[in-house]
Amino acid sequence: QQQVKQSPQSLIVQKGGIPIINCAYENTAFDYFPWYQQFPGKGPALLIAIRPDVSEKKEGRFTISFNKSAKQFSLHIMDSQPGDSATYFCAAIEAQGAQKLVFGQGTRLTINP
Amino acid sequence: NAGVMQNPRHLVRRRGQEARLRCSPMKGHSHVYWYRQLPEEGLKFMVYLQKENIIDESGMPKERFSAEFPKEGPSILRIQQVVRGDSAAYFCASSGLAGHEQYFGPGTRLTVT
Repeated sequence: QQQVKQSPQSLIVQKGGIPIINCAYENTAFDYFPWYQQFPGKGPALLIAIRPDVSEKKEGRFTISFNKSAKQFSLHIMDSQPGDSATYFCAAIEAQGAQKLVFGQGTRLTINP
Repeated sequence: NAGVMQNPRHLVRRRGQEARLRCSPMKGHSHVYWYRQLPEEGLKFMVYLQKENIIDESGMPKERFSAEFPKEGPSILRIQQVVRGDSAAYFCASSGLAGHEQYFGPGTRLTVT
């Protein structure tokens, strides 16, 4: 059973555009939502994370928007660059319970020059 | 290098052999998690360990797979009698007291021939 659903599966954006990746969850016990960036042949790197008591968090060019009532959250990348081309995973975790990350299926992002 | 270390980075085994994957957590981290990533798929939780204790092994296959995190030395994920379906990237993550901020190693790519 997929507990975190991520879309789109792949995304192509021109340099400078704003790719948006969406995730939805069902388990209301989730209380921490990180995003990971993974380049081919590498491990996932923690990019940015948000808690459900905050509606938006920004770090550099990366922004998470969080809608608790809809149980949805999204990643926006401002002024995207070819170097941002990677696979992005959203995840969720019960920080006070089972401390295992539940990952979305991933989005393969390509930023064209 | 204070990051999570995994070795070997690549491992080739024939069907029926044993595979041993090692993980040294980030300095100061006492929580270790193992995840498996099948080709073109997201990461799936396998097991969560603290020193000398298995906390949660709900994602581990019931047979052939085992994990340990001894008092001294790295955490080890052991796969006995490997089959072709075990071919995947195996990632280790570690965290400090805040269990939700998990940092990943570069992974071990296991190929079963």
